[in-house]
Amino acid sequence: AQSVTQPDIHITVSEGASLELRCNYSYGATPYLFWYVQSPGQGLQLLLKYFSGDTLVQGIKGFEAEFKRSQSSFNLRKPSVHWSDAAEYFCAVAPNYGQNFVFGPGTRLSVLP
Amino acid sequence: EAGVAQSPRYKIIEKRQSVAFWCNPISGHATLYWYQQILGQGPKLLIQFQNNGVVDDSQLPKDRFSAERLKGVDSTLKIQPAKLEDSAVYLCASSTPRTGEQYFGPGTRLTVT
Repeated sequence: AQSVTQPDIHITVSEGASLELRCNYSYGATPYLFWYVQSPGQGLQLLLKYFSGDTLVQGIKGFEAEFKRSQSSFNLRKPSVHWSDAAEYFCAVAPNYGQNFVFGPGTRLSVLP
Repeated sequence: EAGVAQSPRYKIIEKRQSVAFWCNPISGHATLYWYQQILGQGPKLLIQFQNNGVVDDSQLPKDRFSAERLKGVDSTLKIQPAKLEDSAVYLCASSTPRTGEQYFGPGTRLTVT
């Protein structure tokens, strides 16, 4: 069965600093990959997704992610973090289009002023 | 375009009581998902509908959980009887084959005492 790991439970960065959140998956083939953000008391919002093609994908709010097949990773990055980025971030994979989504445990991001 | 609607937003019940959650997906979205998100964890898929048929309910505790999606639109998730470990946020999401991504509702926070 596929699984998703997010090694960092909690990350704290200063506002304006760069950010990288790690995501690794376990699956035989290349799955569909997603990053979601969840603010307190809110549902999940899609930041970006990778289905195929260019391995560097751009998302909303200045986020980007890079798919690395050799490392089974799909890390999320942002060059300059804003205080409003403080939230919980979830990586998700789906082996089939629109089906069998598996979410990682999440990484909580705190932003220092 | 209206988002995924869920009600109630909060519910407190005693163990062994029953509870029901309602979800109205985005208009035209054939696929509907129910997730359970326990505090500090990522969402776990409970059941997935395609129109009014069940695609995946492998992680639904069928001895106490049930879900239906009449007429392929709204859906209800029921727990009967509730246990303390059912305390969680229940998220509903919908998707369309055109994009393969899920749109989430705000969730229902259930507390079982």
